[in-house]
Amino acid sequence: RKEVEQDPGPFNVPEGATVAFNCTYSNSASQSFFWYRQDCRKEPKLLMSVYSSGNEDGRFTAQLNRASQYISLLIRDSKLSDSATYLCVVNIDTGRRALTFGSGTRLQVQP
Amino acid sequence: EPEVTQTPSHQVTQMGQEVILRCVPISNHLYFYWYRQILGQKVEFLVSFYNNEISEKSEIFDDQFSVERPDGSNFTLKIRSTKLEDSAMYFCASSDWEKREPRDTQYFGPGTRLTVL
Repeated sequence: RKEVEQDPGPFNVPEGATVAFNCTYSNSASQSFFWYRQDCRKEPKLLMSVYSSGNEDGRFTAQLNRASQYISLLIRDSKLSDSATYLCVVNIDTGRRALTFGSGTRLQVQP
Repeated sequence: EPEVTQTPSHQVTQMGQEVILRCVPISNHLYFYWYRQILGQKVEFLVSFYNNEISEKSEIFDDQFSVERPDGSNFTLKIRSTKLEDSAMYFCASSDWEKREPRDTQYFGPGTRLTVL
């Protein structure tokens, strides 16, 4: 089983649509969870951290289910500028700082 | 907003040559990292650095790689004898120990594209 697994997509959605991405992680001891966004040939940019209670930032909502080892990202009212690859990122091991990245889910928002 | 910077943006080198990639982390951060991303693949951890020493490294980070903080602002990655398979985007990141969860949010620089011919 991959350490961090994501559906690669692509997800092609019209502007204004709601889209959800899922991610599973293999190590139940994982501590920190993040969604990063990566545009083509650019650096990963932090979109949001994922808290145990779930959290929302504008049009973006992240959820964590520790029992199922599952993280989700919901984007409401999609904009053209949301087109990017969304990376699920996990700090897998207690005591380690290395981040483990999923392969990313590509989103294409169409006019 | 403070950000991580990296130079050069693109480095072309011949196989077997040494390269040094440079990074300036966010000024009050204490933890520094190098990651790489081979074209079309996922981002992979190489090494983390704290208090002037390596704190952890991956299997990728073999004897050909080294890191250094030569002064109070720069953080470098050296590849001693480059191979074709070292061609990738190299990202530097930095973080601080935060008082609230999640404690270790890493911020990435724009990357150096290394091309080994």
